[in-house]
Amino acid sequence: DTGVSQNPRHKITKRGQNVTFRCDPISEHNRLYWYRQTLGQGPEFLTYFQNEAQLEKSRLLSDRFSAERPKGSFSTLEIQRTEQGDSAMYLCASSSDRQNSPLHFGNGTRLTVT
Amino acid sequence: SQKIEQNSEALNIQEGKTATLTCNYTNYSPAYLQWYRQDPGRGPVFLLLIRENEKEKRKERLKVTFDTTLKQSLFHITASQPADSATYLCALDIGSSASKIIFGSGTRLSIRP
Repeated sequence: DTGVSQNPRHKITKRGQNVTFRCDPISEHNRLYWYRQTLGQGPEFLTYFQNEAQLEKSRLLSDRFSAERPKGSFSTLEIQRTEQGDSAMYLCASSSDRQNSPLHFGNGTRLTVT
Repeated sequence: SQKIEQNSEALNIQEGKTATLTCNYTNYSPAYLQWYRQDPGRGPVFLLLIRENEKEKRKERLKVTFDTTLKQSLFHITASQPADSATYLCALDIGSSASKIIFGSGTRLSIRP
């Protein structure tokens, strides 16, 4: 069990550029979550996958955000036409689909939009 | 809409005392509630889960209570240590057909020697 891995750890981009983050969950975990966290706040739910199916998506998520989990293993989160307000820590978490399973988080990708 | 509230202020506790953190929620009846610890620059780490039919759960120096009538959970750290200094988050699953785990804003706890 190598834990949840996120890449890159840090990303600095100019406003208007597209960025893509990757998450590798714990291998036997079917569930995968993306969150966004800003300073002094708790993680804000973005989206949830059960295997390759995206079953839940926050209404706060604009059309510029898209997430995929094509083979039910790793996942990518893409932000198009980045804005300064997108600057945040993006966290990925995975869990098994046993009832009440806790989330295992990666250490996040910190995005800075200049 | 679903809302989770935690102690809005940071909590400063003398080493050796008991720290008590609160988590209040509205507009939902969760089957369980979770507590996580988060250190700066790191992802949250799971600590404890308590189910709706459990009044209390313990793990070493940690104790969690869950009052579904008050819609409140309390998180206690006994014999606190400086190493317990971190942000503590409560979370619950508000999803119906699919999982949707949401978090409170967290309480920053500082234990002074």
